[in-house]
Amino acid sequence: QLVVTQSPSASASLGASVKLTCTLSSGHNSYAIAWHQQQPEKGPRFLMKFNSDGSHIKGDGIPDRFSGSSSGAERYLTISSLQSEDEGDYYCQTWGTGVVVFGGGTKLTVL
Amino acid sequence: QVQLVESGGGVVQPGRSLRLSCVASGFTFSSYGMHWVRQAPGKGLEWVAVLSYDGSHKYYADSVNGRFTISRDNSKNTLYLQMNSLRPEDTAVYYCAKGLGSGGHDSLHYWGQGTLVTVSS
Repeated sequence: QLVVTQSPSASASLGASVKLTCTLSSGHNSYAIAWHQQQPEKGPRFLMKFNSDGSHIKGDGIPDRFSGSSSGAERYLTISSLQSEDEGDYYCQTWGTGVVVFGGGTKLTVL
Repeated sequence: QVQLVESGGGVVQPGRSLRLSCVASGFTFSSYGMHWVRQAPGKGLEWVAVLSYDGSHKYYADSVNGRFTISRDNSKNTLYLQMNSLRPEDTAVYYCAKGLGSGGHDSLHYWGQGTLVTVSS
């Protein structure tokens, strides 16, 4: 069964970097994923699609501070030079035949 | 620029029906798969359904299969979600989203602002 798992919360200081993790279920190591950001009281926004070969597509206007990487079944979203507006929920999304799956989301607090 | 505007939400009694609409602009609507995603109060995102660019392929989450129907009118750049036999657990903000590709098997790319559906007696 296709599942993506995220840590419920993360925190980092203003100006620092943070790395969020999305783990694909067993047997799905080669799957692409997407990252979506949801700021408080707003709708989600597409950040990037990340393929297992490292290629990616970013959303409109997404700054270079947001980058993706992967290792095995894990997909990472790194946010550098953290700003206050980066606070919010970050969702990992993947897909298979006839199904789209979201992770539970990681709540990012900027200290 | 891409715009997705949902409408049709409101308060409805359990067991009743509701139809949501999503009007798209800023891209060639007939070339992309389209999704509905919902978010219950205080909860995470839950994918609901997807429809391919030409309406030939549609898929649903198990939680709504048999009760909800996704459809589209490419001449009106509009996506629909017909929701029947509504339950209190269907209470959520419903988002329309454009897929990155033409089918349903890809990343979600653009999101609407959402419409709130409340199922309560």
